[in-house]
Amino acid sequence: DAKTTQPPSMDCAEGRAANLPCNHSTISGNEYVYWYRQIHSQGPQYIIHGLKNNETNEMASLIITEDRKSSTLILPHATLRDTAVYYCIVRGNTGFQKLVFGTGTRLLVSP
Amino acid sequence: DAGITQSPRHKVTETGTPVTLRCHQTENHRYMYWYRQDPGHGLRLIHYSYGVKDTDKGEVSDGYSVSRSKTEDFLLTLESATSSQTSVYFCAIRQGNSNQPQHFGDGTRLSIL
Repeated sequence: DAKTTQPPSMDCAEGRAANLPCNHSTISGNEYVYWYRQIHSQGPQYIIHGLKNNETNEMASLIITEDRKSSTLILPHATLRDTAVYYCIVRGNTGFQKLVFGTGTRLLVSP
Repeated sequence: DAGITQSPRHKVTETGTPVTLRCHQTENHRYMYWYRQDPGHGLRLIHYSYGVKDTDKGEVSDGYSVSRSKTEDFLLTLESATSSQTSVYFCAIRQGNSNQPQHFGDGTRLSIL
């Protein structure tokens, strides 16, 4: 599975959009981009995933560049409860599909 | 929320004792996974299952065994617990479709003294 690179930390004001970048320059054609977050000691929470088209759901939007070498997770109106560690994971669609969690981005949303 | 229940949520036990953690799902998903999370290591896969009685090892399987006799239950057993197995254990489930995401339980915090 391709390796990902994320900034270690980011800050965001409550109510503003949080844009979390991820670099995955070695991604291959059948690999999807997944985003999870982990709030304190809870289990990782699935947010969104995509292959090459932009995706949106009730939690967030995922923007994937045309060359698929990077992506951005957008939380449109961040709240204090969005403070968490966000993980970008690239995974193929074959085999048992282990998830490899890197160090992620620690997002701090402040009032 | 995905229908995943892990039990117990917390456990303290002594070195050398057997420990069994349970993951129960109500989603009828094919795949189930056990991970452990430790500071500085992120989540690491212990074992996974791709069907009833079908299991395989992950990257940190030494000292652990698993069983899946029913679709809904995936058990993780530490035959003789050691202090190095003190960790937070997470179960995850996934549908059979290839690109579907894994969904995680709330975890079991295990302390071995």
